[in-house]
Amino acid sequence: AQSVTQPDIHITVSEGASLELRCNYSYGATPYLFWYVQSPGQGLQLLLKYFSGDTLVQGIKGFEAEFKRSQSSFNLRKPSVHWSDAAEYFCAVGRPGAGSYQLTFGKGTKLSVIP
Amino acid sequence: DGGITQSPKYLFRKEGQNVTLSCEQNLNHDAMYWYRQDPGQGLRLIYYSQIVNDFQKGDIAEGYSVSREKKESFPLTVTSAQKNPTAFYLCASSGLAGSETQYFGPGTRLLVL
Repeated sequence: AQSVTQPDIHITVSEGASLELRCNYSYGATPYLFWYVQSPGQGLQLLLKYFSGDTLVQGIKGFEAEFKRSQSSFNLRKPSVHWSDAAEYFCAVGRPGAGSYQLTFGKGTKLSVIP
Repeated sequence: DGGITQSPKYLFRKEGQNVTLSCEQNLNHDAMYWYRQDPGQGLRLIYYSQIVNDFQKGDIAEGYSVSREKKESFPLTVTSAQKNPTAFYLCASSGLAGSETQYFGPGTRLLVL
């Protein structure tokens, strides 16, 4: 079974600074990869996803993520953070050939933004 | 607008009481899911359904029950057997393939009186 690790439980950055949230997975082949964002008391919203092709994926709200097969990573980045980006971020992994119910989520990284 | 609705937003349960959380989607998705979210635990799958009148247990199904009588609806009942029900419950839906995005509802927070 696949697993997902988000090493950072909580990250604090200043508004305008760059951001990188880490995500590592364990799976033998190239998985399906997702990043979701959750504002407090809300549901999850998809930021971006990777299935194949270009390893740099652009998402909504100015986010991007890069798939690195050699490092089994799919880190999320943003060049300049806005106060409204404060939220919790979840990385998720799915397996090609498996059903959509076999999506595995990381435990999340909470982002705080200092004005 | 297409989407997923969950109700109520907040729900209070007394000891020994069963409560039902509602989830409706108008995205014409075949698959629906229930997740439980606790602080620091991420999302844990309770039940999922890929077709009407069929559903499967997820990782933490004990103390919960579901039904799927209509494609659009997937209610979750938290039974009295669930001894620690206080959590945030999220419903989601998607297509069937592993590449499909799961879309989430706004959640229901369940508290025990």
